Amino acid sequence: QKEVEQDPGPLSVPEGAIVSLNCTYSNSAFQYFMWYRQYSRKGPELLMYTYSSGNKEDGRFTAQVDKSSKYISLFIRDSQPSDSATYLCAMSASGNTPLVFGKGTRLSVIA
Amino acid sequence: SAVISQKPSRDICQRGTSLTIQCQVDSQVTMMFWYRQQPGQSLTLIATANQGSEATYESGFVIDKFPISRPNLTFSTLTVSNMSPEDSSIYLCSVDDPLSEKLFFGSGTQLSVL
Repeated sequence: QKEVEQDPGPLSVPEGAIVSLNCTYSNSAFQYFMWYRQYSRKGPELLMYTYSSGNKEDGRFTAQVDKSSKYISLFIRDSQPSDSATYLCAMSASGNTPLVFGKGTRLSVIA
Repeated sequence: SAVISQKPSRDICQRGTSLTIQCQVDSQVTMMFWYRQQPGQSLTLIATANQGSEATYESGFVIDKFPISRPNLTFSTLTVSNMSPEDSSIYLCSVDDPLSEKLFFGSGTQLSVL
């Protein structure tokens, strides 16, 4: 079993839809959870950063962490064509240990 | 957040040659990282480059194949040596921003080996 599992998609939704992106993980030591957005031919851009369990909201984006289930989610409300990108989850056990990434989910928001 | 400039942005190289990728940061950072992103795969850490010491390589990556330099706190290079088509990938430089303690990435180098 890989440390981090993420469905690669592709996921196609109509503009305005609520998007749910998910990752599961196996390492119970993970404490730091991140979501990156990567546009084509660009480097990953940090979108959300969460420590331990709980929810974090930033505009149209909400990150959820459920450590008991080893499951994290990113919700995008009122999705826009500009949200079309690959979304990568990443996590680490501490601030000094390397991030472990999911494979990324390719999202297309259709106008 | 730190601003990271990486070049070249893309290159097409012949088998057996080497390519050096440069990474410049607009502020001093302690730790710089080099990642590889192969199609359909997770980002994989190649090595951690610390100023003043040898780079630390992850399992499966060796210095002879991926020599790294870190001459100061704002610059690093990664060389992909004796390239083969299997080295075709995106190579990404990243840094730990000292203020936010979050990881930021350069725009990547798309390498194709013929």
